[in-house]
Amino acid sequence: TQLLEQSPQFLSIQEGENLTVYCNSSSVFSSLQWYRQEPGEGPVLLVTVVTGGEVKKLKRLTFQFGDARKDSSLHITAAQTGDTGLYLCAGGKGSARQLTFGSGTQLTVLP
Amino acid sequence: NAGVTQTPKFQVLKTGQSMTLQCAQDMNHNSMYWYRQDPGMGLRLIYYSASEGTTDKGEVPNGYNVSRLNKREFSLRLESAAPSQTSVYFCASSLPAGNYEQYFGPGTRLTVT
Repeated sequence: TQLLEQSPQFLSIQEGENLTVYCNSSSVFSSLQWYRQEPGEGPVLLVTVVTGGEVKKLKRLTFQFGDARKDSSLHITAAQTGDTGLYLCAGGKGSARQLTFGSGTQLTVLP
Repeated sequence: NAGVTQTPKFQVLKTGQSMTLQCAQDMNHNSMYWYRQDPGMGLRLIYYSASEGTTDKGEVPNGYNVSRLNKREFSLRLESAAPSQTSVYFCASSLPAGNYEQYFGPGTRLTVT
């Protein structure tokens, strides 16, 4: 079974601070995605990275795929209370088109 | 477009009862998935259907059955519910090509007493 480990599991910060969430695996993935999930809702896709070393920016969020395509990071600059949520990374691999999900990082941004 | 819809939103069952969770998508996606989400464990794949007429087991299939009724609909059945099946269930769909991106429904919160 492929494993994706996310860290930290919980993160509580003040509005305006920066933070980084990590997603690590021993497996190589064809693509890696980040989702955000709010209470009572399903995960919503934020970004997909497919090339080793790729960096994508979505406003204050920066996503990076590791050179070896085994790990990824999500950096949020100047966090806002609206960033609060569960962040999930997921790796895609194989013809069955299955995703392997990390256990998630619960982010709380305090006003 | 509604995207991925799931019914019901909430359900309480007694041990041994059966029920079917319904999922439908209107994005013309070929592949559909059922996951369960438990605290601290992320999303675990129960069953998936790569295309209409095919279904395959995922990581945690025991105690569940699925039916791919047509291209739009994919249902999950619990024949004899157990307390260990208390969870939040999500349905998702994706295109056959592309970068494995999946689109999720709003979930069904199931409690088995």
